Amino acid sequence: KNEVEQSPQNLTAQEGEFITINCSYSVGISALHWLQQHPGGGIVSLFMLSSGKKKHGRLIATINIQEKHSSLHITASHPRDSAVYICAALEYGNKLVFGAGTILRVKS
Amino acid sequence: ETGVTQSPTHLIKTRGQQVTLRCSSQSGHNTVSWYQQALGQGPQFIFQYYREEENGRGNFPPRFSGLQFPNYSSELNVNALELDDSALYLCASSAKGLSSYEQYFGPGTRLTVT
Repeated sequence: KNEVEQSPQNLTAQEGEFITINCSYSVGISALHWLQQHPGGGIVSLFMLSSGKKKHGRLIATINIQEKHSSLHITASHPRDSAVYICAALEYGNKLVFGAGTILRVKS
Repeated sequence: ETGVTQSPTHLIKTRGQQVTLRCSSQSGHNTVSWYQQALGQGPQFIFQYYREEENGRGNFPPRFSGLQFPNYSSELNVNALELDDSALYLCASSAKGLSSYEQYFGPGTRLTVT
C-alpha cells in the first residue's frame, strides 16, 4: 500500500462542472501539498496546508489531519484546468512523498 | 527573485554512461531536493541537500549521488546508467528553517537512456 493514495486516477469532466480529487495518507506529516503538472513536466505548487482550508481563485483545498485526508476542489472547471494533479505529503524532515496523480481532462 | 532552474532540459545517454544534472535553487533557499518521475508515475524522492550536506535519502542505489555548492545550487550525478533510469528528474528548493517548508519546483530534466 502506497503511503499516499489519490482518487480517482483519471477524471473527465464537462466545462463548468465541480471537481473533487481526494488524497489519503498514512504517514505522519507536517503539511500537505497539492501540485499541478502539465504535459512537459513542469510542476507548480497550488497549495501547502497543514490544517483547515485554503482558497485561491476557483481552487479550494481542505485537510482533515485526524482522518489523514485532503481534498482538492475545482469550481466552474475549464479546459485549461486539464492537467495532472498530485498530492504530496511533507514528512517531518522536509521529505515529500507523492501520490501517483490524478489525470484531469475538462472538455468544452 | 529568480525561480528554480534546471539544465539541461533534455538529455539522451547510452546505457553504462554517466550523467550530471544541474539545479539552481530559488534565491534565499538553502535546501534542494531531487526527485525521479518515471512515465505515468508520481515523483520519487532521491535525496535532499541542506547547507552542502546530504540530509535524507530515498531508496536509490549509491550510483545516484549529489552535491550542493556554497551558493546552494546542486548537482545530481548518475553513474553506470541503466535503461530504467529514463525519467524526468525534478529538483525543488525550499528554505529549511522557515516555518513554511514550501518547495518550489524546477521545470525538470528529461533523461532518456538507450
